[in-house]
Amino acid sequence: KAGVTQTPRYLIKTRGQQVTLSCSPISGHRSVSWYQQTPGQGLQFLFEYFSETQRNKGNFPGRFSGRQFSNSRSEMNVSTLELGDSALYLCASSIEDRVTDTQYFGPGTRLTVL
Amino acid sequence: GQNIDQPTEMTATEGAIVQINCTYQTSGFNGLFWYQQHAGEAPTFLSYNVLDGLEEKGRFSSFLSRSKGYSYLLLKELQMKDSASYLCAVSDAGGYQKVTFGTGTKLQVIP
Repeated sequence: KAGVTQTPRYLIKTRGQQVTLSCSPISGHRSVSWYQQTPGQGLQFLFEYFSETQRNKGNFPGRFSGRQFSNSRSEMNVSTLELGDSALYLCASSIEDRVTDTQYFGPGTRLTVL
Repeated sequence: GQNIDQPTEMTATEGAIVQINCTYQTSGFNGLFWYQQHAGEAPTFLSYNVLDGLEEKGRFSSFLSRSKGYSYLLLKELQMKDSASYLCAVSDAGGYQKVTFGTGTKLQVIP
């Protein structure tokens, strides 16, 4: 079974631009979560989608948004980029099995904002 | 909310045993994860504890005490490839996929 895939793997943008990142979950997984990882803050939860609905949201400004499609693929968008948005953005999928809730991570998208 | 504490860095010798502690204070608790993350790579799942006690998986074991808000990851017979960050994460009791991660413990294994 293929793992979680994320595209693109690397991205360089300038301040003020916007960016869209894509995540394809493991086949059969219906929950997709997004995280931002920086050296100082660790993994910070952005939001989680299930059946095209955002169920949970972390403490990020409204510039960060996302959506999920009917095939469970998800995208996240960051508008009006700031230097501090430079980070590794990780997507994780899970079956949404309440016993394990195990999340499987993709390789991430490394975003650099100049 | 969730508050998770784990040491920032640890160093251990190849072949030895190391214990990485994690304490948490949560408004709701379902279970506790441990993930391993090598530099430049995505986190990979190691263990998930829901009940109190020790669970062993080869060289890795994870312990949970729900009453004390405490967990540890035990790595035996350390190998150089175990050098990585180890992330403790708490799953919320809300029933949805709501997981809060600690900042991770960077383990360096030295010869």
